[in-house]
Amino acid sequence: AQSVTQLGSHVSVSEGALVLLRCNYSSSVPPYLFWYVQYPNQGLQLLLKYTSAATLVKGINGFEAEFKKSETSFHLTKPSAHMSDAAEYFCAVSDKTSYDKVIFGPGTSLSVIP
Amino acid sequence: GAGVSQSPSNKVTEKGKDVELRCDPISGHTALYWYRQSLGQGLEFLIYFQGNSAPDKSGLPSDRFSAERTGGSVSTLTIQRTQQEDSAVYLCASTSGNSGNTIYFGEGSWLTVV
Repeated sequence: AQSVTQLGSHVSVSEGALVLLRCNYSSSVPPYLFWYVQYPNQGLQLLLKYTSAATLVKGINGFEAEFKKSETSFHLTKPSAHMSDAAEYFCAVSDKTSYDKVIFGPGTSLSVIP
Repeated sequence: GAGVSQSPSNKVTEKGKDVELRCDPISGHTALYWYRQSLGQGLEFLIYFQGNSAPDKSGLPSDRFSAERTGGSVSTLTIQRTQQEDSAVYLCASTSGNSGNTIYFGEGSWLTVV
């Protein structure tokens, strides 16, 4: 069965610093992978997704993630944090061998310090 | 509609009462999900619909929880004899059903059991 782990339930970075949010997955086959963001008091929206094309995926708001099969990872990065990036970030996996079930990780809360 | 619509947006109910939460997915989306998000927690998968059938109900926490979908569109999540631990945000999401496609979330129904 597929699963997702996110290292660090809470991450704090200074404004302008690198953002790195970690995601590791477990799946019997190379899955589809997603990052969703939830801003305060808002619904979830897609940041980016990996669907077996390029391993480096670029998303909205300057975020990108790299699929590394050997490490079963899909870490999210942004070179320079902005105050508006403060939010909850969820990594998710969809197992292509079954129907379109999407399993979410526990989430990482990102704080940006001025 | 333009997005996933959920109602009510907020519901306060007394312990032991039944509640119904409604989800109206994006028009044409064949796949529909229900998730639960408790305070400070990640997204807990509840149930998945493909059309009107539910091939995966594995996430429903107890037999007090049930869901149905009619006409391949609107879905209702029913919680019977509510308990305080049922307090959470219940999120509905839909997708076209093709594996790897983005799932779109509603704003959620915030349930408080007192």
